[in-house]
Amino acid sequence: GAGVSQSPRYKVAKRGQDVALRCDPISGHVSLFWYQQALGQGPEFLTYFQNEAQLDKSGLPSDRFFAERPEGSVSTLKIQRTQQEDSAVYLCASSPGHDRVDGNQPQHFGDGTRLSIL
Amino acid sequence: AQSVTQPDIHITVSEGASLELRCNYSYGATPYLFWYVQSPGQGLQLLLKYFSGDTLVQGIKGFEAEFKRSQSSFNLRKPSVHWSDAAEYFCAVGAGGNKLVFGAGTILRVKS
Repeated sequence: GAGVSQSPRYKVAKRGQDVALRCDPISGHVSLFWYQQALGQGPEFLTYFQNEAQLDKSGLPSDRFFAERPEGSVSTLKIQRTQQEDSAVYLCASSPGHDRVDGNQPQHFGDGTRLSIL
Repeated sequence: AQSVTQPDIHITVSEGASLELRCNYSYGATPYLFWYVQSPGQGLQLLLKYFSGDTLVQGIKGFEAEFKRSQSSFNLRKPSVHWSDAAEYFCAVGAGGNKLVFGAGTILRVKS
């Protein structure tokens, strides 16, 4: 497809279970971002990839969160031993660019995965 | 640290009326500024962006925004609102590096 694709759209898990969220960026986009959007809040940065390299993971809230992009295309965000506070919408974005947000390279967002932890 | 403040959580305007959504940012260098719109259950769609040059930027769907460095503001405007504009609007600053820092959003309601 032409846009950023995320799956699943909805995920319900019991507290303590592991979950994996997938992001297919726009073809050819070098940069990939994950954001967490809690209910009623703006998105908050989690992590950033340039190709397969994870250049910034400063926003990951704990070591239960892990992201990978092994071939520089599809990315997976994994949350281990989920907690209720992990309930949120997880947004993925991609951009053509490399190491800065500039005039030709806005971030394109997917529709997100809504994660609910019971 | 970079931050974005959107003072209005909700705004209600009549269809056909003008609209201004406020955004103030805190950033030490020249900011990259964005407005995104989010409809329920959807991702964020870019409305417009400011990187440099003309401080009045035009975007999609008839929106515009004005960068005012002296006020650290980047307010979004539209001269005549349509019912389809009802959504949540997010202002964001491109922080050092690559990430975006978002405000908490303003929910726009349009009454007919």
